[in-house]
Amino acid sequence: AQTVTQSQPEMSVQEAETVTLSCTYDTSESDYYLFWYKQPPSRQMILVIRQEAYKQQNATENRFSVNFQKAAKSFSLKISDSQLGDAAMYFCAYRSAVILGAGSYQLTFGKGTKLSVIP
Amino acid sequence: GAVVSQHPSRVICKSGTSVKIECRSLDFQATTMFWYRQFPKKSLMLMATSNEGSKATYEQGVEKDKFLINHASLTLSTLTVTSAHPEDSSFYICSARDFGTGPYNEQFFGPGTRLTVL
Repeated sequence: AQTVTQSQPEMSVQEAETVTLSCTYDTSESDYYLFWYKQPPSRQMILVIRQEAYKQQNATENRFSVNFQKAAKSFSLKISDSQLGDAAMYFCAYRSAVILGAGSYQLTFGKGTKLSVIP
Repeated sequence: GAVVSQHPSRVICKSGTSVKIECRSLDFQATTMFWYRQFPKKSLMLMATSNEGSKATYEQGVEKDKFLINHASLTLSTLTVTSAHPEDSSFYICSARDFGTGPYNEQFFGPGTRLTVL
């Protein structure tokens, strides 16, 4: 079974600064997808960014980018020019690319990192 | 973007009663829906996966008879917490997989339902 580890329960960043959230995972599969989700105080899960394992290029979405190191099984999220609205819980998630039966498409989540943004 | 709604957003009930939570995909067809439970300051725990027209697949440790899931159409799945007890109090989140999103088969999440059992 796959596992996702987020080793930083809490992080803080000064507004306009850059912060990196860590995520490592364990899998024996070669093809998979990785995601970062944001959960603000409203509790609505919002997809921040996603990465396909077979793509070497790191995904980027505006101020959000990832550092995907497949060999190291690492998938960190970098938030540039942090804004107050970035304050939230951030979850790293893994999904297998293998489609087999009812368990397909399931996401495995890490425990989350609570990000605070200091004005 | 794809929208998933949940109803109710908050429910308070007495111990021993049953509560039904609805999850709807508003602008897409959801072949698969997922139900999660989230405790305060914790991650999401997958409870079950439901496919339209078939029985739900429950994760280990989740009581099928307590958490009844019905996925009767491509836009609606329901979770019924039967004979609810205080320990069932939690935040329940559903997500729906958009059949037409290509290789990512992205899940879209509902806003969640806060269940409090007195």
